[in-house]
Amino acid sequence: EVQLVESGGGLVQPGGSLRLSCAASGFTVSSNYMSWVRQAPGKGLEWVSVIYSGGSTYYADSVKGRFTISRHNSKNTLYLQMNSLRAEDTAVYYCARDKGYYDILTGYYASGAFDYWGQGTLVTVSS
Amino acid sequence: QSALTQPASVSGSPGQSITISCTGTSSDVGSYNLVSWYQQHPGKAPKLMIYEVSKRPSGVSNRFSGSKSGNTASLTISGLQAEDEADYYCCSYAGSSTFGFGGGTKLTVL
Repeated sequence: EVQLVESGGGLVQPGGSLRLSCAASGFTVSSNYMSWVRQAPGKGLEWVSVIYSGGSTYYADSVKGRFTISRHNSKNTLYLQMNSLRAEDTAVYYCARDKGYYDILTGYYASGAFDYWGQGTLVTVSS
Repeated sequence: QSALTQPASVSGSPGQSITISCTGTSSDVGSYNLVSWYQQHPGKAPKLMIYEVSKRPSGVSNRFSGSKSGNTASLTISGLQAEDEADYYCCSYAGSSTFGFGGGTKLTVL
């Protein structure tokens, strides 16, 4: 059974750092495209970052230069290192697996079809 | 990455059909057949309902269908049921391995 379990959320002061973890079971993180998606309280979903199976990483403009997505293959775990945190980063952070897409001309890439999600972990940035 | 535009709310009676629109631009919805739809009940994680514009994951009811015309994608739910009441979000590939979500639509089953 596929399962994603996030941890690491909590209260942090503006300018501080936090590392989120997403432990996966039932599939191999390093063989899939994995994303972080966040949801501010009472607001909509916002895509944050993706890591490809080959290791390439991409970010939303709102977090570029401050957040880093990574994974630990032997632990089958996805991470999100968040630095220089701001009040507007307050949200529930979800990790999600992307189904991926194959285009005959451009090859495989992430598709935005997130078929498995964790339960989320709340990050609150406040003084 | 710009947010996609969805109506804030839609409603319908049990048994009826409703359609939720998702309007993007020629840089996202209009350029790629990579639009997905998510259902989210309060306090729960989102659930994938439609991907690649019109494909349904295994286990999703065939009452849910998706389509796209130009820069606008649509989710149609037929035979509305009480358990369909939830928030719905569209998501589109926006190029350069980035993605945009819609603002969400609250569906009320009257």
